[in-house]
Amino acid sequence: DVKVTQSSRYLVKRTGEKVFLECVQDMDHENMFWYRQDPGLGLRLIYFSYDVKMKEKGDIPEGYSVSREKKERFSLILESASTNQTSMYLCASSSPLGNTIYFGEGSWLTVV
Amino acid sequence: DAKTTKPNSMESNEEEPVHLPCNHSTISGTDYIHWYRQLPSQGPEYVIHGLTSNVNNRMASLAIAEDRKSSTLILHRATLRDAAVYYCILTPGDKVIFGPGTSLSVIP
Repeated sequence: DVKVTQSSRYLVKRTGEKVFLECVQDMDHENMFWYRQDPGLGLRLIYFSYDVKMKEKGDIPEGYSVSREKKERFSLILESASTNQTSMYLCASSSPLGNTIYFGEGSWLTVV
Repeated sequence: DAKTTKPNSMESNEEEPVHLPCNHSTISGTDYIHWYRQLPSQGPEYVIHGLTSNVNNRMASLAIAEDRKSSTLILHRATLRDAAVYYCILTPGDKVIFGPGTSLSVIP
């Protein structure tokens, strides 16, 4: 079975903390994505990467950064967490153009 | 960015067919049409995708208009497990945009 694994299912962090959300895929996919999901807003794309060390901003990159040092791993970084970053974060991967996107189970982040 | 529009919510009786519409008038010739669904507290899961021809799999059917500006996801017999948020998305290049989705309720 194909798998996208997000390191933490539930996290609680304090305002101002640096937060790392890790994602690993085992399908040798070139493309990886980070979304956040909030009630009524659907999935909003934060960043995506189409190759190692390559990254592109999505629709809402402010307050986030990403790292892709290896093909299978894509990390989302909140440099200084704020309460408005409380959300569910979803990682996904796919092979190029037109192929299926596989999602992780999601990471629920609460910033207090 | 290629965008899709669809109803916010729909309702169906159990064991009846469900037709979920999606409009994508700005679709380009190389865009694939994908459908995903998301059950509560889970990540979205793949349902079906197509380019030009209608497609069938064990979960659903996808009917694509001849001009490709709209498509319909067909669940042949809705079950309670089909209650979810359904997303119709296009894949222009490597960036994938999801909108709010259509929330499907299934009435026993």
